[in-house]
Amino acid sequence: DAGVIQSPRHEVTEMGQEVTLRCKPISGHDYLFWYRQTMMRGLELLIYFNNNVPIDDSGMPEDRFSAKMPNASFSTLKIQPSEPRDSAVYFCASSFSGTGHNEQFFGPGTRLTVL
Amino acid sequence: RKEVEQDPGPFNVPEGATVAFNCTYSNSASQSFFWYRQDCRKEPKLLMSVYSSGNEDGRFTAQLNRASQYISLLIRDSKLSDSATYLCVASPGDKIIFGKGTRLHILP
Repeated sequence: DAGVIQSPRHEVTEMGQEVTLRCKPISGHDYLFWYRQTMMRGLELLIYFNNNVPIDDSGMPEDRFSAKMPNASFSTLKIQPSEPRDSAVYFCASSFSGTGHNEQFFGPGTRLTVL
Repeated sequence: RKEVEQDPGPFNVPEGATVAFNCTYSNSASQSFFWYRQDCRKEPKLLMSVYSSGNEDGRFTAQLNRASQYISLLIRDSKLSDSATYLCVASPGDKIIFGKGTRLHILP
């Protein structure tokens, strides 16, 4: 398996632009998580899905952020409009509930810079 | 109080030494616990799960103290390649809560 795939790996954009981050989870995994990591705040859970359904989006900072999972193999995190304080590394992770515990497998991350 | 707290370090430890980290969690409903390792500019990767009875994987030993709500990680005979950030994780249900991590530098 190729693992969790994220694109793009790096994104540089200007304030006010729309940013879309993409994630392909590991095949067969039924949970998908979006995280944001900064030096100041560490790794923060933004939202997670179970079987493509959003379960908890309480970590989404504000209405500028939205996430979708149209099918089991694809998810997007969108920021519109982007702001400099959104600069961070965004990780997608997936897990399989059938193992009985919650080991998460992370993608390589998208490093976002908003100028 | 933060849900999962760790000493950020850095811990600067000579090669071959033993080093231990602790981590406290606030949600007593947490059922699963893990240690993740994150190398610089890389994604977190699972190092080991933490079981109630404690568990060992080679040079690494993890322990859980539910009464005091902390978990620990012990690294024996440390190697240069152990230099990384170690993230403590507590899981109350579906989601998992990460600590901010403890940075470890192994010195030659």
